[in-house]
Order: sequence, then C-alpha cells, then structure tokens
Amino acid sequence: GQNIDQPTEMTATEGAIVQINCTYQTSGFNGLFWYQQHAGEAPTFLSYNVLDGLEEKGRFSSFLSRSKGYSYLLLKELQMKDSASYLCAVRDGNNRLAFGKGNQVVVIP
Amino acid sequence: DVKVTQSSRYLVKRTGEKVFLECVQDMDHENMFWYRQDPGLGLRLIYFSYDVKMKEKGDIPEGYSVSREKKERFSLILESASTNQTSMYLCASSLSLNYEQYFGPGTRLTVT
Repeated sequence: GQNIDQPTEMTATEGAIVQINCTYQTSGFNGLFWYQQHAGEAPTFLSYNVLDGLEEKGRFSSFLSRSKGYSYLLLKELQMKDSASYLCAVRDGNNRLAFGKGNQVVVIP
Repeated sequence: DVKVTQSSRYLVKRTGEKVFLECVQDMDHENMFWYRQDPGLGLRLIYFSYDVKMKEKGDIPEGYSVSREKKERFSLILESASTNQTSMYLCASSLSLNYEQYFGPGTRLTVT
C-alpha cells in the first residue's frame, strides 16, 4: 500500500520562509505533486516533481529525493493569503495518485 | 480557463435515499476522478474513469457506483445513502494520468 506522511500543522510569521516536508513509501513512483487548499475550497495545483532536485516557481519551490522518499515545499516571503493546507500527492507505479493528509500552515502578522 | 463544475455545493439527504452527484469538465480531459475528503483522513479516491464508459475502483468504492456516458460528465451514485457517507465530495479531471488534476468546488453532503 501507500504511506504518505506530512506534519499536521505549522505556524509561521508573515515575510518568513517555511518548509513543508513530505515522506512517502509507495509501490513504485511516477511523480509527486503539491496542491494548495484554502479552507472550504478545492485543491489547486502548485508543483510537480518527477526527477530529483529543486523546481522553482516564483515564491514556491519544491524539492524531491527519490532515493530517500522525500519531498519538501518551500514557501518564501510568506503572505497572509498563504494560510492554507498543503497536500502532498504521489503517483505510484500503477499511476494511482495517493494524497497525504495535508499540512495546515497558519501565517500570523 | 480550466473549469470543473459540480451540481451542488451543499446537499442534505436522508438515510436510504439514492443520491446522484454530477461533475462536468469543459477541458476535453480523458480522466475523471471522485474523491471524498474527511478531517484527519485526507483525500481518498472512490472511483476514477480513464475513458467514456470505462471505470476503475479506487481505494474506497464500497457503497458507491459511477457512470460516465459522455466524456465531459462523471456521476457518482450513492445507491442507499448512509450516515457514514456524510463528507465533502470532490471531483477532478486531468488530461492524462501524468498531468495535474483540476478539482471542482466540492459538494458537502450530509446524510441524516
């Protein structure tokens, strides 16, 4: 089966940098996605990693290490609107997408 | 602009009723998905479809069925609703399995 672990909640200050970790154990690996979900809304796509290394997209970066079964999402210059749940999702060897439970980030002034 | 719509934002049904949740996408995507999202459990896949009239069970298909008669529409059916099916239901679509999924706004279903 799949096991995807994320910390449940973290608090950070506006303007700071926050790193959200995700570790996974799946049957095969075909890519890792990060989604952002604001309270009461649908998840929206942030990033996709299939090869090892860092992918940068504006204030957001995502890192993958396939050998360690590990990814992180880095949020820079935090803004109040970044308060949301961040979901890690892994596509396994059967191309099934399994989601972690999400990491709730609370940004405080 | 990418769009996935769901028939209702909020729905209240009684135990034993047959419930239909509709999802429509306008992006000509091959793949469509139904998830439920519960606090502490995250998003769990109920069913998905990779082509018209094709469907595959996800992780928690019990108590649900689906229908995909047209490419743009994917329906989730609760044959006999039960209280443990009270949840947020999210539909999604993707161009292919290697691409990101686009989610609809969700339907919050309460079964009393």
